[in-house]
Amino acid sequence: AAGVIQSPRHLIKEKRETATLKCYPIPRHDTVYWYQQGPGQDPQFLISFYEKMQSDKGSIPDRFSAQQFSDYHSELNMSSLELGDSALYFCASSLGGTGGSNTIYFGEGSWLTVV
Amino acid sequence: AQSVTQPDIHITVSEGASLELRCNYSYGATPYLFWYVQSPGQGLQLLLKYFSGDTLVQGIKGFEAEFKRSQSSFNLRKPSVHWSDAAEYFCAVIGSSNTGKLIFGQGTTLQVKP
Repeated sequence: AAGVIQSPRHLIKEKRETATLKCYPIPRHDTVYWYQQGPGQDPQFLISFYEKMQSDKGSIPDRFSAQQFSDYHSELNMSSLELGDSALYFCASSLGGTGGSNTIYFGEGSWLTVV
Repeated sequence: AQSVTQPDIHITVSEGASLELRCNYSYGATPYLFWYVQSPGQGLQLLLKYFSGDTLVQGIKGFEAEFKRSQSSFNLRKPSVHWSDAAEYFCAVIGSSNTGKLIFGQGTTLQVKP
């Protein structure tokens, strides 16, 4: 079965550069979530979208922005990168909005290294 | 505020032995609970979930978990561990019923001895 697709899988950027991560949800899924997992840490919620509208916001820095497009894919834009932004970024998707009973499926993540 | 605690940061078991990973949650209403597994350098794979109904839920790869409201626990079990089960295990709860935001525990690293 098709899963959540993230690209690129690995990305190396220098400080103060900009990075964009892309997420393609499971077909027919209309809800997308972004999580950040630092080294040795548990995943932390960044932001979510339902039907192209932001539905919730977590600990996402102001330097980061995201959006969901008409085909439901999502992009996470990160500017003025800092060393501390080095992490594994997960995208996840679900069907039918952000109701609690909807199962959330994760992609394999995009590794961002800031040097 | 909602929270999830996994008391055991690291667990080592012998292959073929039984396994129980502990998870305690703090949540005001009926929680939606999940267990995810993460192999090194890999994504999060859903093992099982509890939304309502039977408190003993079966998952993939031979895992099961039991929801105990009185103990605010959702422990993960497997009767016989395989070497391929070595990974990081995360318990998670939906933080808010209308946002779908997952709150994760700190994770438990499982090591399997031959």
